[in-house]
Amino acid sequence: EPEVTQTPSHQVTQMGQEVILRCVPISNHLYFYWYRQILGQKVEFLVSFYNNEISEKSEIFDDQFSVERPDGSNFTLKIRSTKLEDSAMYFCASLRDITYEQYFGPGTRLTVT
Amino acid sequence: SQQGEEDPQALSIQEGENATMNCSYKTSINNLQWYRQNSGRGLVHLILIRSNEREKHSGRLRVTLDTSKKSSSLLITASRAADTASYFCATDRLTGGGNKLTFGTGTQLKVEL
Repeated sequence: EPEVTQTPSHQVTQMGQEVILRCVPISNHLYFYWYRQILGQKVEFLVSFYNNEISEKSEIFDDQFSVERPDGSNFTLKIRSTKLEDSAMYFCASLRDITYEQYFGPGTRLTVT
Repeated sequence: SQQGEEDPQALSIQEGENATMNCSYKTSINNLQWYRQNSGRGLVHLILIRSNEREKHSGRLRVTLDTSKKSSSLLITASRAADTASYFCATDRLTGGGNKLTFGTGTQLKVEL
Protein backbone atom coordinates (compact mmCIF):
# COMPACT_ATOMS: atom_id res chain seq x y z
CA GLU A 1 0.00 0.00 0.00
CA PRO A 2 1.41 3.43 -0.89
CA GLU A 3 2.46 5.58 2.03
CA VAL A 4 3.68 9.04 2.89
CA THR A 5 7.31 9.11 3.93
CA GLN A 6 9.19 11.74 5.92
CA THR A 7 12.84 12.43 6.57
CA PRO A 8 14.58 12.75 8.89
CA SER A 9 12.75 10.92 11.65
CA HIS A 10 14.47 13.07 14.26
CA GLN A 11 16.22 16.41 13.83
CA VAL A 12 18.09 18.25 16.54
CA THR A 13 19.04 21.84 15.86
CA GLN A 14 20.19 24.92 17.70
CA MET A 15 17.99 27.94 18.15
CA GLY A 16 18.30 30.31 15.22
CA GLN A 17 19.30 27.64 12.72
CA GLU A 18 17.36 26.82 9.57
CA VAL A 19 15.81 23.40 9.16
CA ILE A 20 14.18 21.70 6.23
CA LEU A 21 11.79 18.84 6.82
CA ARG A 22 11.14 16.59 3.89
CA CYS A 23 8.12 14.62 2.82
CA VAL A 24 7.29 12.41 -0.12
CA PRO A 25 3.51 12.33 -0.51
CA ILE A 26 1.61 9.53 -2.22
CA SER A 27 2.20 9.89 -5.94
CA ASN A 28 -1.31 10.48 -7.28
CA HIS A 29 -2.36 12.81 -4.48
CA LEU A 30 -3.11 16.45 -5.19
CA TYR A 31 -3.37 18.12 -1.80
CA PHE A 32 -0.53 18.37 0.67
CA TYR A 33 -0.42 19.43 4.30
CA TRP A 34 1.85 20.06 7.23
CA TYR A 35 0.67 19.67 10.81
CA ARG A 36 2.53 19.79 14.06
CA GLN A 37 2.02 18.30 17.49
CA ILE A 38 3.74 19.74 20.52
CA LEU A 39 4.40 17.04 23.08
CA GLY A 40 1.25 16.18 24.98
CA GLN A 41 -0.94 18.47 22.90
CA LYS A 42 -3.28 17.99 19.99
CA VAL A 43 -2.34 17.99 16.35
CA GLU A 44 -2.48 21.49 14.82
CA PHE A 45 -2.82 22.46 11.18
CA LEU A 46 -0.01 24.54 9.72
CA VAL A 47 -0.52 24.83 5.98
CA SER A 48 -2.20 23.27 2.97
CA PHE A 49 -0.80 23.27 -0.55
CA TYR A 50 -2.63 22.65 -3.78
CA ASN A 51 -1.88 23.36 -7.42
CA ASN A 52 1.61 24.58 -6.53
CA GLU A 53 0.52 27.21 -4.10
CA ILE A 54 -0.52 27.63 -0.49
CA SER A 55 -4.27 27.29 -0.24
CA GLU A 56 -4.61 27.92 3.48
CA LYS A 57 -2.34 28.59 6.42
CA SER A 58 -2.79 28.93 10.15
CA GLU A 59 -1.66 31.70 12.47
CA ILE A 60 1.27 29.50 13.45
CA PHE A 61 2.57 29.56 9.89
CA ASP A 62 4.27 32.95 10.00
CA ASP A 63 7.09 34.42 7.90
CA GLN A 64 9.57 32.01 9.44
CA PHE A 65 7.87 29.11 7.70
CA SER A 66 7.76 28.25 4.02
CA VAL A 67 6.77 25.27 1.93
CA GLU A 68 7.88 24.08 -1.44
CA ARG A 69 7.24 21.28 -3.88
CA PRO A 70 10.49 21.54 -5.79
CA ASP A 71 10.38 18.55 -8.10
CA GLY A 72 6.89 17.09 -8.31
CA SER A 73 7.56 14.42 -5.70
CA ASN A 74 9.02 16.07 -2.59
CA PHE A 75 7.16 18.47 -0.34
CA THR A 76 9.27 20.43 2.11
CA LEU A 77 8.72 22.60 5.15
CA LYS A 78 11.42 25.12 5.95
CA ILE A 79 11.77 26.97 9.22
CA ARG A 80 14.20 29.82 8.69
CA SER A 81 15.26 30.63 12.23
CA THR A 82 14.12 28.04 14.71
CA LYS A 83 12.88 28.90 18.18
CA LEU A 84 12.64 26.71 21.25
CA GLU A 85 8.86 26.65 20.86
CA ASP A 86 9.19 25.09 17.41
CA SER A 87 10.12 21.82 19.11
CA ALA A 88 7.39 19.41 18.10
CA MET A 89 6.49 16.46 15.94
CA TYR A 90 5.83 17.61 12.39
CA PHE A 91 3.52 15.54 10.24
CA CYS A 92 3.11 15.69 6.51
CA ALA A 93 -0.15 14.50 4.98
CA SER A 94 -1.51 14.09 1.49
CA LEU A 95 -4.95 13.74 0.02
CA ARG A 96 -6.08 12.49 -3.35
CA ASP A 97 -9.50 14.06 -3.36
CA ILE A 98 -11.54 16.02 -0.83
CA THR A 99 -13.94 13.09 -0.47
CA TYR A 100 -11.23 10.82 0.88
CA GLU A 101 -9.09 10.53 3.95
CA GLN A 102 -5.77 12.24 4.51
CA TYR A 103 -2.79 9.94 4.77
CA PHE A 104 -0.17 10.92 7.30
CA GLY A 105 3.53 10.30 7.32
CA PRO A 106 5.31 8.94 10.40
CA GLY A 107 6.45 12.41 11.44
CA THR A 108 9.72 14.22 12.09
CA ARG A 109 10.52 14.98 15.68
CA LEU A 110 12.19 18.40 15.77
CA THR A 111 14.13 19.32 18.89
CA VAL A 112 15.40 22.88 19.17
CA THR A 113 18.04 23.43 21.84
CA SER B 1 -15.04 24.09 24.26
CA GLN B 2 -12.98 23.79 21.12
CA GLN B 3 -13.73 22.23 17.76
CA GLY B 4 -13.14 18.54 18.21
CA GLU B 5 -13.13 17.55 21.83
CA GLU B 6 -13.09 13.96 22.87
CA ASP B 7 -14.30 12.43 26.06
CA PRO B 8 -13.26 10.77 28.14
CA GLN B 9 -9.71 12.11 28.17
CA ALA B 10 -8.53 8.75 29.44
CA LEU B 11 -10.13 5.33 29.47
CA SER B 12 -8.85 2.12 31.04
CA ILE B 13 -10.55 -1.19 30.33
CA GLN B 14 -9.88 -4.90 30.42
CA GLU B 15 -9.10 -6.90 27.32
CA GLY B 16 -12.28 -8.17 25.72
CA GLU B 17 -14.40 -5.23 26.86
CA ASN B 18 -15.78 -2.60 24.52
CA ALA B 19 -14.38 0.93 24.46
CA THR B 20 -16.49 3.93 23.55
CA MET B 21 -15.03 7.35 22.84
CA ASN B 22 -16.99 10.46 22.03
CA CYS B 23 -16.16 13.54 20.02
CA SER B 24 -17.98 16.85 19.84
CA TYR B 25 -17.43 19.64 17.38
CA LYS B 26 -18.80 23.12 16.85
CA THR B 27 -18.98 24.00 13.15
CA SER B 28 -20.55 22.27 10.17
CA ILE B 29 -18.38 19.58 8.64
CA ASN B 30 -17.73 17.73 5.42
CA ASN B 31 -16.23 14.56 6.89
CA LEU B 32 -15.27 13.30 10.30
CA GLN B 33 -12.35 10.96 10.68
CA TRP B 34 -10.87 8.96 13.51
CA TYR B 35 -7.14 8.42 13.87
CA ARG B 36 -5.04 6.34 16.23
CA GLN B 37 -1.65 7.34 17.55
CA ASN B 38 0.67 5.08 19.46
CA SER B 39 2.88 6.90 21.91
CA GLY B 40 5.27 9.21 20.08
CA ARG B 41 4.42 7.73 16.71
CA GLY B 42 2.51 8.73 13.59
CA LEU B 43 -1.20 9.00 12.95
CA VAL B 44 -2.97 5.97 11.58
CA HIS B 45 -6.25 6.53 9.81
CA LEU B 46 -9.04 4.33 11.15
CA ILE B 47 -12.28 5.37 9.55
CA LEU B 48 -13.97 8.24 7.74
CA ILE B 49 -17.65 9.06 8.00
CA ARG B 50 -19.25 11.61 5.71
CA SER B 51 -21.66 14.26 6.93
CA ASN B 52 -24.59 12.52 5.22
CA GLU B 53 -23.84 9.19 6.89
CA ARG B 54 -25.04 8.15 10.32
CA GLU B 55 -23.13 4.98 11.01
CA LYS B 56 -20.18 3.11 9.61
CA HIS B 57 -18.44 -0.15 10.44
CA SER B 58 -14.93 -1.38 9.81
CA GLY B 59 -13.90 -4.62 11.44
CA ARG B 60 -14.16 -4.12 15.21
CA LEU B 61 -14.81 -0.39 14.78
CA ARG B 62 -18.18 1.27 14.73
CA VAL B 63 -18.54 5.00 14.22
CA THR B 64 -21.70 7.03 14.54
CA LEU B 65 -22.29 10.61 13.55
CA ASP B 66 -25.08 12.87 14.75
CA THR B 67 -24.83 16.15 12.87
CA SER B 68 -27.78 17.64 14.77
CA LYS B 69 -25.83 17.23 18.01
CA LYS B 70 -22.47 17.81 16.35
CA SER B 71 -21.09 14.66 17.88
CA SER B 72 -19.56 11.35 16.93
CA SER B 73 -18.68 8.19 18.78
CA LEU B 74 -16.10 5.50 18.14
CA LEU B 75 -16.77 2.05 19.51
CA ILE B 76 -14.04 -0.58 19.59
CA THR B 77 -15.48 -3.98 20.31
CA ALA B 78 -13.65 -6.89 21.96
CA SER B 79 -10.65 -4.71 22.74
CA ARG B 80 -7.11 -6.04 22.73
CA ALA B 81 -3.96 -4.90 24.46
CA ALA B 82 -2.70 -3.78 21.05
CA ASP B 83 -5.54 -1.23 20.91
CA THR B 84 -3.76 0.76 23.62
CA ALA B 85 -3.16 4.16 22.02
CA SER B 86 -4.51 7.68 21.78
CA TYR B 87 -7.56 8.17 19.59
CA PHE B 88 -8.35 11.46 17.88
CA CYS B 89 -11.31 12.67 15.92
CA ALA B 90 -10.65 15.14 13.15
CA THR B 91 -13.14 17.18 11.18
CA ASP B 92 -12.83 18.88 7.86
CA ARG B 93 -14.89 21.48 6.07
CA LEU B 94 -15.25 22.21 2.40
CA THR B 95 -12.81 24.96 1.54
CA GLY B 96 -11.38 26.23 -1.68
CA GLY B 97 -8.03 24.53 -1.73
CA GLY B 98 -8.36 21.30 0.16
CA ASN B 99 -9.68 20.46 3.53
CA LYS B 100 -7.54 21.07 6.55
CA LEU B 101 -8.23 18.79 9.48
CA THR B 102 -9.12 20.12 12.90
CA PHE B 103 -8.17 17.61 15.53
CA GLY B 104 -9.67 16.97 18.91
CA THR B 105 -7.78 16.67 22.14
CA GLY B 106 -7.79 12.88 22.09
CA THR B 107 -8.75 9.97 24.30
CA GLN B 108 -5.96 7.87 25.80
CA LEU B 109 -7.12 4.28 25.80
CA LYS B 110 -5.39 1.67 27.89
CA VAL B 111 -6.39 -1.95 27.47
CA GLU B 112 -5.12 -4.17 30.24
CA LEU B 113 -4.62 -7.92 30.10
